[in-house]
Amino acid sequence: EDQVTQSPEALRLQEGESSSLNCSYTVSGLRGLFWYRQDPGKGPEFLFTLYSAGEEKEKERLKATLTKKESFLHITAPKPEDSATYLCAVQEGDQGATNKLIFGTGTLLAVQP
Amino acid sequence: DGGITQSPKYLFRKEGQNVTLSCEQNLNHDAMYWYRQDPGQGLRLIYYSQIVNDFQKGDIAEGYSVSREKKESFPLTVTSAQKNPTAFYLCASIGEIPGSYGYTFGSGTRLTVV
Repeated sequence: EDQVTQSPEALRLQEGESSSLNCSYTVSGLRGLFWYRQDPGKGPEFLFTLYSAGEEKEKERLKATLTKKESFLHITAPKPEDSATYLCAVQEGDQGATNKLIFGTGTLLAVQP
Repeated sequence: DGGITQSPKYLFRKEGQNVTLSCEQNLNHDAMYWYRQDPGQGLRLIYYSQIVNDFQKGDIAEGYSVSREKKESFPLTVTSAQKNPTAFYLCASIGEIPGSYGYTFGSGTRLTVV
């Protein structure tokens, strides 16, 4: 069964303390892996799409990487405004025609000043 | 600016009542989706539509209905057959995002049974 697992469930960091969030997945064929940021009571905001192992993308303090079994979202020198829930989703090969995504349960990040 | 507009932001439903959640997009995307979000669970797909006048059931379609009469609009009706409708509902479309490709989400509708 296709599955997406995110860890940790929650992470508390001090401002400036770098860390990584993990997204492990099991799908029969990966078409794409997506990272989203979600603030309380709002819809998810697109961050990155990764397509193949070895690919990396960066945006401000965030860097996403992809291997054949997992993806990492690295947060460098985080600020309090980076506090949010970070969601990972995968698009499985057979679902390519429907573009259906399978979501993890998210990592709740809290950055304290 | 292009995006997805969901309304209302908050909705209260009485027992036995049908309610309709609105979703409008001006991104010119063909495919649209409805997801349900509950605490501690990943987003779950309710219905999706890849083209006007066509839609398919997702993983948790029971108690819900949709229509797709226009490319821009994909309303979701939560019927009285949905026994646990209290949740956060998200509408999305998929297509080009500046510099990339992926889902664009609306701001969500929080539905509460009273």
